[in-house]
Amino acid sequence: QQQVKQSPQSLIVQKGGISIINCAYENTAFDYFPWYQQFPGKGPALLIAIRPDVSEKKEGRFTISFNKSAKQFSLHIMDSQPGDSATYFCAAREVKAAGNKLTFGGGTRVLVKP
Amino acid sequence: NAGVTQTPKFRVLKTGQSMTLLCAQDMNHEYMYWYRQDPGMGLRLIHYSVGEGTTAKGEVPDGYNVSRLKKQNFLLGLESAAPSQTSVYFCASRKQQGTYNEQFFGPGTRLTVL
Repeated sequence: QQQVKQSPQSLIVQKGGISIINCAYENTAFDYFPWYQQFPGKGPALLIAIRPDVSEKKEGRFTISFNKSAKQFSLHIMDSQPGDSATYFCAAREVKAAGNKLTFGGGTRVLVKP
Repeated sequence: NAGVTQTPKFRVLKTGQSMTLLCAQDMNHEYMYWYRQDPGMGLRLIHYSVGEGTTAKGEVPDGYNVSRLKKQNFLLGLESAAPSQTSVYFCASRKQQGTYNEQFFGPGTRLTVL
């Protein structure tokens, strides 16, 4: 049973369009929500992250929206580019858990068509 | 800096064989992690270490053992490989100090167990 549920599993978007990936969680002790980007044959790399004391964080074309009461957060990729084609993972961390472990969602494969 | 490196990149085993995956990091990070990545399951934590000489179980530890004899190295062992252990394995490391430090991932090892 995944503690962080991610949807959709895959999506196709046209160049210039908006990609939206959603994640939901149950554990109210989670206090840090990063998103990782993974290109084929590579390891995941941190893309952007948010803490629950803010509702939105924007870095360039990437925005995280966070809804604490609904226990949901989402990644928006604006003006999607072919170079954004990758697998995206949301994650959550419980600060008091030993080892600062991350719990990952199942991943979303994004394909941006030119 | 090489960051996080993993050896080997690919491996094919027969059921019952054993092997060791090596992870090395040159960032002087205290925390290290082993994950497995399976389609639709995201990344699941196998074992982790908060320092030299210490290890702990993650979400899916059965069938795996680890050792952290040196701060820069984290070894993952399979004593008797099973087809269910066919997966892509990722190592990650993180600096201890700092509440919101990111995990840095290696390039992965693709393991097939026949």
